[in-house]
Amino acid sequence: EVQLLESGGGLVQPGGSLRLSCAASGFTFSTYAMSWVRQTPEKRLEWVSAISGSGNTPYYADSVKGRFTISRDNSERTVYLQMHILRAEDTAIYYCAKSTVVGPMRFDDWGQGTLVAVSS
Amino acid sequence: QSALTQPASVSGSPGQSITISCTGVRSDVGTYTLVSWYQQHSGKAPKLIIYEGGKRPSGVSTRFSASKSGDTASLTISGLQAEDEADYFCCSYAKPSTVFFGGGTRLTVL
Repeated sequence: EVQLLESGGGLVQPGGSLRLSCAASGFTFSTYAMSWVRQTPEKRLEWVSAISGSGNTPYYADSVKGRFTISRDNSERTVYLQMHILRAEDTAIYYCAKSTVVGPMRFDDWGQGTLVAVSS
Repeated sequence: QSALTQPASVSGSPGQSITISCTGVRSDVGTYTLVSWYQQHSGKAPKLIIYEGGKRPSGVSTRFSASKSGDTASLTISGLQAEDEADYFCCSYAKPSTVFFGGGTRLTVL
């Protein structure tokens, strides 16, 4: 059974930083691309970032490019999202999702999410 | 390609069929666009129910089906059941890494 467990969310001031983690189990982690998808307070879903199975190729939505960095540690079966220069509009529940072996073509399994609130 | 448009809400009675549209799924010449659909019950994470336009993951009811015509993708749920009441999101992927979600549709089972 695929399990994804996010952590690291919290309240942060505008301009601040936060690092999210997602611990994975139940599948061959290094084979699959992993993604972060966020859900805004208005319930809209927005793809944020993805990373290839090897970790060599990151992908970013335009809205976070230059501010967020995705990485993964295949030995620890964990994917990370380092977020800098946070804005109010980054406030959302951040979900970690297992994608395909090719890339972020779909999101097969999701974690329970971690809440990021950006506010002064 | 930009955001996808879905109706804010749809409703139907048990046993009926409903269709949710997703407009704005455009395929440029020489590229391809993959559409997936997600179901989200209140307070839960989204769940994949349709991928690559019409395939169902293991365990997803055959009452869920999908199609695409032009720039519109559609999700059909037949034989509505109370448990189908949820939010539904479409999602399009185009190489190399363009991913967009629709705004979501709230399904109410009357």
